Amino acid sequence: GENVEQHPSTLSVQEGDSAVIKCTYSDSASNYFPWYKQELGKRPQLIIDIRSNVGEKKDQRIAVTLNKTAKHFSLHITETQPEDSAVYFCAATDSWGKFQFGAGTQVVVTP
Amino acid sequence: GAGVSQSPSNKVTEKGKDVELRCDPISGHTALYWYRQSLGQGLEFLIYFQGNSAPDKSGLPSDRFSAERTGGSVSTLTIQRTQQEDSAVYLCASSPVSTNTGELFFGEGSRLTVL
Repeated sequence: GENVEQHPSTLSVQEGDSAVIKCTYSDSASNYFPWYKQELGKRPQLIIDIRSNVGEKKDQRIAVTLNKTAKHFSLHITETQPEDSAVYFCAATDSWGKFQFGAGTQVVVTP
Repeated sequence: GAGVSQSPSNKVTEKGKDVELRCDPISGHTALYWYRQSLGQGLEFLIYFQGNSAPDKSGLPSDRFSAERTGGSVSTLTIQRTQQEDSAVYLCASSPVSTNTGELFFGEGSRLTVL
C-alpha cells in the first residue's frame, strides 16, 4: 500500500517569510495529491490539490509542485500571515482510492 | 444536510464498554472514509467505503473495530470492549466521486474518551 512521509514535523517562520513542506510517496500508481489545513480544534479542509498530469499549481499565496519521477511533492506558502498557523497534511491516493495522509506539519507564524 | 454530520460529538465511556459512532455523509457522496486522530497526531486511516462495500479494511486496529454502511449513506463505526488506547477523535469524511481524485469533506469528529 501507499506510504507517505512528510517533513518537517514543525516549522516556525517569521510573518512575511515563506514556508515549504515536503512529502514523499511510495506508490508510483498514485495520481492525486491534496493538501489539507487543520486549525486547532477544527476539521481538516482542502486548500490545494494537484493531479499527476500537472507539475505545478498555484492559488494566490500557496503553490504545490509535483515530481513524479522522484515521487515527491511540496507545498509552498509565500508571504506568510498569522492565520496560516495550523497543521498541514499532505496526502496521496493509491490505486484503490484510499487517501493516505502524511503525519502533518505544525506551522507557526510569528509576528 | 449541508455537511458531513457525526454523532456523538463527545463520548466518555468506561473501559470494556462498546461504543457506536455514526457518520451521515453529504447526500449523494459515494465514498466514505473513517480516520482516527490521537491528540497532536496525524490522520490514521481506518476504513473506507465505495457505496456499501469496503474495498480496504486494512486500517482497522483490531477485531474489536468494525464498520458498516447501509443504503450507500449512513455509516457506523463500532468499537467493542473499548480500551484506553482507543481514546481519540474519530473523523469521518465523504467524497462526491467514486474515483480517487475527489475532495474529502470532513465532519467535526467524534471525540472518544475511555476511562
